[in-house]
Amino acid sequence: SQLAEENLWALSVHEGESVTVNCSYKTSITALQWYRQKSGEGPAQLILIRSNEREKRNGRLRATLDTSSQSSSLSITATRCEDTAVYFCATYHTGGLSGKLTFGEGTQVTVIS
Amino acid sequence: GPKVLQIPSHQIIDMGQMVTLNCDPVSNHLYFYWYKQILGQQMEFLVNFYNGKVMEKSKLFKDQFSVERPDGSYFTLKIQPTALEDSAVYFCASSLPGGLYEQYFGPGTRLTVL
Repeated sequence: SQLAEENLWALSVHEGESVTVNCSYKTSITALQWYRQKSGEGPAQLILIRSNEREKRNGRLRATLDTSSQSSSLSITATRCEDTAVYFCATYHTGGLSGKLTFGEGTQVTVIS
Repeated sequence: GPKVLQIPSHQIIDMGQMVTLNCDPVSNHLYFYWYKQILGQQMEFLVNFYNGKVMEKSKLFKDQFSVERPDGSYFTLKIQPTALEDSAVYFCASSLPGGLYEQYFGPGTRLTVL
């Protein structure tokens, strides 16, 4: 069965620094989505990167996808306190028709002022 | 951005009772989802619903669970009867039709079964 997982449970950075969260998965995918979840809220979608894409940017966010190593990363530059959240990767698996997402456990990112 | 609403935000019920969780999806979305998240664990897919039918469900979607969206109103998840292990946060999501459109999530309903 497919499993998406982030590689570290918690990271702390100082405001203004950059941070990278990594994710690995175990089966063939059609796309991978990065989400952010703040305490008491639902996940907010950040970047969707398709299997034929290697990199995608959205403002201060940059996602990469390496299908050969079945891994992805999300980098945040010039971090702000409001970036503090749990960051998840979630995958759409090949052959899926319903849009089912398989989530990783999440990495808590804390930005310290 | 697009908003998914969920009602109620928190529900406490006794084991064996019925509960209905309500979701107001994004207005032009046609795919609807429920996910379950137990505290400290990863979010897990329950079910996907489109055009009045369940498209796919996971093993977590027990026989006691049902979903519907009567007449374009709320998309609901009903659990009857509830069990202690149903305690979790339930997230609704919606998307445009097709498998690779971004799913927008609601804030979740925290269900506590006593």
